[in-house]
Amino acid sequence: QVQLVQSGAEVKKPGSSVKVSCKASGGTFSSYSFSWVRQAPGQGLEWMGRIIPMFKIANYAQKFQVRATIIADESTSTAYLELSSLRSEDTAVYYCAKVKYCSGASCPDIFDVWGQGTMVTVSS
Amino acid sequence: DIQMTQSPSSLSAFVGDRVTITCQASQDIRNDLNWYQLKPGKAPKLLMHGASNLEIGVPSRFSGSGSGTDFTFTISSLQPEDIATYYCQQYDTLPITFGQGTRLEIK
Repeated sequence: QVQLVQSGAEVKKPGSSVKVSCKASGGTFSSYSFSWVRQAPGQGLEWMGRIIPMFKIANYAQKFQVRATIIADESTSTAYLELSSLRSEDTAVYYCAKVKYCSGASCPDIFDVWGQGTMVTVSS
Repeated sequence: DIQMTQSPSSLSAFVGDRVTITCQASQDIRNDLNWYQLKPGKAPKLLMHGASNLEIGVPSRFSGSGSGTDFTFTISSLQPEDIATYYCQQYDTLPITFGQGTRLEIK
């Protein structure tokens, strides 16, 4: 069973960047797609983007197209989310999640395993 | 973007009650819909996928139905451990979108 372990909590200044990692163990990293989903305090779940390591293709929600970068390092089985130009509204718990399966180039976005979450606080 | 309208936003019921949550998509998403349970301080948990498929290890009191634009999630007999917030999520079309969530409480 794949497990996802994320990096620890971060406190950042407005205008800076943050990079959150998500290390996978117990499975074949390249066999899945990994998404990043965030939850701001008192708010719902918001999908930010995803990466398919096998194809090195990343997709983003329009809202994060400019500020977010999602990459995957197959050598360490780790996915990363970098978010730049941070503002207070980016204060949230950030989760990585893997899809249940991929079939060829198709990876239905059914998130069966999630990381423990990383709290990112943006404050001056 | 596909809008997912989930209702109610909050719900209070007795242990043993049948609880139903609905989710409406702004356009046809076939059966590309998942349901998740979120408890404070924990990661979301997948309960149902493909609208009606129970995830492995999830109790059979949970069920889902629907296709196209209208979906239903049901807990047949509410248990104390079901206290959580529930979210629907469509994966038919990028960007992936979630419903606003339903906060479930025990009376």
